[in-house]
Amino acid sequence: TQLLEQSPQFLSIQEGENLTVYCNSSSVFSSLQWYRQEPGEGPVLLVTVVTGGEVKKLKRLTFQFGDARKDSSLHITAAQTGDTGLYLCAGALMNRDDKIIFGKGTRLHILP
Amino acid sequence: DAEITQSPRHKITETGRQVTLACHQTWNHNNMFWYRQDLGHGLRLIHYSYGVQDTNKGEVSDGYSVSRSNTEDLPLTLESAASSQTSVYFCASSEGTGITEAFFGQGTRLTVV
Repeated sequence: TQLLEQSPQFLSIQEGENLTVYCNSSSVFSSLQWYRQEPGEGPVLLVTVVTGGEVKKLKRLTFQFGDARKDSSLHITAAQTGDTGLYLCAGALMNRDDKIIFGKGTRLHILP
Repeated sequence: DAEITQSPRHKITETGRQVTLACHQTWNHNNMFWYRQDLGHGLRLIHYSYGVQDTNKGEVSDGYSVSRSNTEDLPLTLESAASSQTSVYFCASSEGTGITEAFFGQGTRLTVV
């Protein structure tokens, strides 16, 4: 059973378009993180959301943590070819240890 | 700057051999993790440690072991390598105490032939 479900698995869009990817769970998380991974490299942390309902912005990227702390979304405005990569959500379950579990990721390809 | 390094970056080994992958972090983090990444499965947790002398099994621990003799290092050992263990392995560390942001190494690509 996958505790963190990411959708879509693959997304290919034109440069300049907007997109949203989702990370959903039936479990409650103390925090959720979003990572971006490029080929041949390890995942790199983009953001951590901690409070239910929290919204964080990182330039053209907007991250939201669900009110119930079970889900999160990543919205990219005016996508650029440099946004291409694998986006992973991860988190630690509420009232559990610091073990970090990952979703399977969304592979994003921005076409020029 | 603090960092986390893995070695080797690439390794080819034969079925049945014992293999050890190194992970060294200079963040002084309490928590360290080993994951494997395979197409269709994402990142799966193999073993993790919350501090010196502490080790715990993750979801895919069979055939793997770790030891934590100091804060900086968490080597991963494949006792008897199998072709199913061909994968990319990532080591990560986090501060712990509820702060769960993980910092990753660059990965080790292991091929078992």
